[in-house]
Amino acid sequence: AIQLTQSPSSLSASVGDRVTITCRASQGISSALAWYQQKPGRAPKLLIYDASSLESGVPSRFSGSGSGTDFTLTISSLQPEDFATYYCQQFNSYPYTFGQGTKLEIK
Amino acid sequence: QVQLVQSGAEVKKPGASVKVSCKASGYTFTSYYMHWVRQAPGQGLEWMAMINPSGSSTSYAQKFQGRVTMTRDTSTSTVYMELSSLRSEDTAVYYCARRGSGKGYGYWGQGTLVTVSS
Repeated sequence: AIQLTQSPSSLSASVGDRVTITCRASQGISSALAWYQQKPGRAPKLLIYDASSLESGVPSRFSGSGSGTDFTLTISSLQPEDFATYYCQQFNSYPYTFGQGTKLEIK
Repeated sequence: QVQLVQSGAEVKKPGASVKVSCKASGYTFTSYYMHWVRQAPGQGLEWMAMINPSGSSTSYAQKFQGRVTMTRDTSTSTVYMELSSLRSEDTAVYYCARRGSGKGYGYWGQGTLVTVSS
C-alpha cells in the first residue's frame, strides 16, 4: 500500500499567516491526490482534487501543487474558520490511503 | 443535488456484526463507485473499501479482508457495509463517500457512529 506522510503533524499560526502543509507519497502517484479540511464532529470537506484543482465553492486562498511524490497545500492568508485538521489522500491505487493529518491551531 | 444519507448509530457487543447503509440520491446510482472511510475517536481517516454499484465488484483494504462485505441494492440506490467479528477497536464513525468531478471525495454521508462495547 502507498503510504502518505504529512508534515508537520501540528502547526500553530495566526490569522493572516501564509501556511504550507506537505504530503509525501512512498511511491509516485502522478497527480492523483486530494486535500480535505475537517472540523470536529463533521465529515471531511474536499478542498483540492487532482493535486491542484480547486473544488467549487472553496475560497481561492487555498491552493495545491505537486506531482509524483511531493505535494503541498497552501493557505495564502489564514482566516479564523481555517483552523481545523487537514488530510491528504491518494487515488493512484487501492487502498486509497490518507495521510495522518495536520492539526492547524491558533497561535 | 447529490445526497448520501446513512443509517443511524449502532451499539454492538464484541464479536457481533453491524450493517450500515448509505442511500444515494440526486444522481445515477450506478455511475459512481461508493467508498467507505472510518474514523476512530480522536484519530485520522482510514479507507476501508469500495463497491462498483454497476457490477458489484469490490475492493477491500487488506486490514479488513475477511471481515467486511459491501453490497448494493440498485432498486433503492443503497449501498451496505457489513463489518463482522467486531472488537472495541472498531468503535468509530463510518462514512460513505463518492468522488466528485475529479480524484477526490466531493460527497460524504453524515457518518454513522458504531460503538463496540460489552
